[in-house]
Amino acid sequence: DVKVTQSSRYLVKRTGEKVFLECVQDMDHENMFWYRQDPGLGLRLIYFSYDVKMKEKGDIPEGYSVSREKKERFSLILESASTNQTSMYLCASTPTGTGRFLAKNIQYFGAGTRLSVL
Amino acid sequence: AQSVAQPEDQVNVAEGNPLTVKCTYSVSGNPYLFWYVQYPNRGLQFLLKYITGDNLVKGSYGFEAEFNKSQTSFHLKKPSALVSDSALYFCAVILDYGQNFVFGPGTRLSVLP
Repeated sequence: DVKVTQSSRYLVKRTGEKVFLECVQDMDHENMFWYRQDPGLGLRLIYFSYDVKMKEKGDIPEGYSVSREKKERFSLILESASTNQTSMYLCASTPTGTGRFLAKNIQYFGAGTRLSVL
Repeated sequence: AQSVAQPEDQVNVAEGNPLTVKCTYSVSGNPYLFWYVQYPNRGLQFLLKYITGDNLVKGSYGFEAEFNKSQTSFHLKKPSALVSDSALYFCAVILDYGQNFVFGPGTRLSVLP
């Protein structure tokens, strides 16, 4: 079974702190994604990566950055956390391929990190 | 731009009755459609997908969905609901050449014993 592991289930941080959310997948997937989930808004894509050291902005990248130094690990960084970044953060990965191949693939999700910024 | 609507925030159904969770989409191209389920304190799990072919797609746990191109819908159905089906359900769409999935807002299904 594919396993996507997010390092923390719950995090509480202070406004202005730098926050790292880590995600690791064990199936050699090229593609990794970070979403935030908010009630009534569904999942919104923050950033994604198709390969090591490659990143693309999603729909709501402001206030976030990412790092992908190794294939299996995709980190989300909140440079200076703000209260409006309180949310559930979900990491996902898909097998290799872009375009039509990617479109057919299933996304495998981690359990999520619930972040509270006070 | 792609968009997905799930017109019901909440669906309540009695155990043993059929259930439907609605999804409509708007895309400019050929869509690939997905349903995911999220149980409490868990990530999303894949249920089923429509890529091409038969409009009726069968998936995990007895769920099925029907792709209706003329109505741009992809409703999720199950003939007989179980209490354990209670969860948050997300519809998602991606274009056949696309890169990013677009998710609907989610529908909370409650199956009452």
